[in-house]
Amino acid sequence: QIQLQESGPGLVKPWETLSLTCSVSGDSVTNTDYYWGLIRQPPGKGLEWIGSVYYSGTTYYSPSLESRVTISVDTSKNQFSLNLKSVTAADTAIYYCARLKPQGDPRWDPWGQGILVTVSS
Amino acid sequence: EIVLTQSPGTLSLSPGERATLSCRASQSVTRAYLAWYQQRPGQAPRLLMYGTSKRATGIPDRFSGGGFGTDFTLTISRLEPEDSAVYYCQQFHRSVWTFGLGTKVEIK
Repeated sequence: QIQLQESGPGLVKPWETLSLTCSVSGDSVTNTDYYWGLIRQPPGKGLEWIGSVYYSGTTYYSPSLESRVTISVDTSKNQFSLNLKSVTAADTAIYYCARLKPQGDPRWDPWGQGILVTVSS
Repeated sequence: EIVLTQSPGTLSLSPGERATLSCRASQSVTRAYLAWYQQRPGQAPRLLMYGTSKRATGIPDRFSGGGFGTDFTLTISRLEPEDSAVYYCQQFHRSVWTFGLGTKVEIK
């Protein structure tokens, strides 16, 4: 049974870089049927797609975050990671890792439990 | 970027009643690229429907989805207490994913 687990600091200072890691168990990030990605949710608000990565390194990013985001994959550790630079309070959110099946009827399933990241000095 | 507008913002109904949730897109969405997610309080979202009308694994048949073009609906035929959640629609267009702001379903 596939599981995704987010890890990283819960507190990041303004203008620094937010770094998160998503660890995958029960599947391989090299599975050619899937992409991997991150979605965030500010407290009490809706969902925002951040970006997606394929095992080959191909990435797609939200246009609103593209200038600050990098998502990469580490096949040796079966993980993928997010770097979001120059963060502000607006980046405070629960960050979710998820698996994307892009073919046929694309869908995000499953999701990790999420990790709350607060941007504050 | 396609904007998804969900209505109503909140739906308050009794167990056994029927809930109809709307998701309207700012431009036409391919049926294959429209999905719904359920987020119960304190939990991560989970896939509910994909390809407009296909139920995800383990989703009971009281959930159904439909629509085409710019208008899509999620219907819960007979509400149960565990259906209390926020429901989000999602679409994919030109390599960009967007979500609606959600409809909160409250069970009286």
